[in-house]
Amino acid sequence: DGGITQSPKYLFRKEGQNVTLSCEQNLNHDAMYWYRQDPGQGLRLIYYSQIVNDFQKGDIAEGYSVSREKKESFPLTVTSAQKNPTAFYLCASSIKVGGHQPQHFGDGTRLSIL
Amino acid sequence: EDKVVQSPLSLVVHEGDTVTLNCSYEVTNFRSLLWYKQEKKAPTFLFMLTSSGIEKKSGRLSSILDKKELSSILNITATQTGDSAIYLCAVQGDTNAGKSTFGDGTTLTVKP
Repeated sequence: DGGITQSPKYLFRKEGQNVTLSCEQNLNHDAMYWYRQDPGQGLRLIYYSQIVNDFQKGDIAEGYSVSREKKESFPLTVTSAQKNPTAFYLCASSIKVGGHQPQHFGDGTRLSIL
Repeated sequence: EDKVVQSPLSLVVHEGDTVTLNCSYEVTNFRSLLWYKQEKKAPTFLFMLTSSGIEKKSGRLSSILDKKELSSILNITATQTGDSAIYLCAVQGDTNAGKSTFGDGTTLTVKP
């Protein structure tokens, strides 16, 4: 079955630690996205990638980094510079950025501070 | 900057009621408006509305786009407890490389 797999489901971060959230898709989609969702709020875009080896900052990129070395993988690193990392993180993909098409989402990773 | 506002933020109804969720937007060079349903985890796609497709229906759910008023509504008739979820509205425009801008969502609770 095609889809998006995020891991782990739950993650705890110690102060000063970097953590990496995994996102893999087998939909053969060119575009991938990372969103952050806080309670009572919608999705805010962290980073997105239109193609391998290329990515752009979203609205709240500070304290985060990404890479896109393979089409199917788009890992997100939450660095120690992100002072309020506790949130629900969603990865998504679409055939390409823009155009008339929906995004497909993974089941998310819930990150908390120890 | 693109902006999406959803109302109400939360809504509690009883099974069998009909609900209307609202989404208003400001976006440069509008391309599409999308509705998603989020239960526990991943949002799932419901409808996409564009200039050439301003009304969509699937079962008890329907949605209309009003380009003049820059808004959309999502109607759910004969609600069931399984309709309880967060409903997210997103818009895509020509600027910002066609990324989606999401509203804060409407949390719908359907009581038996």
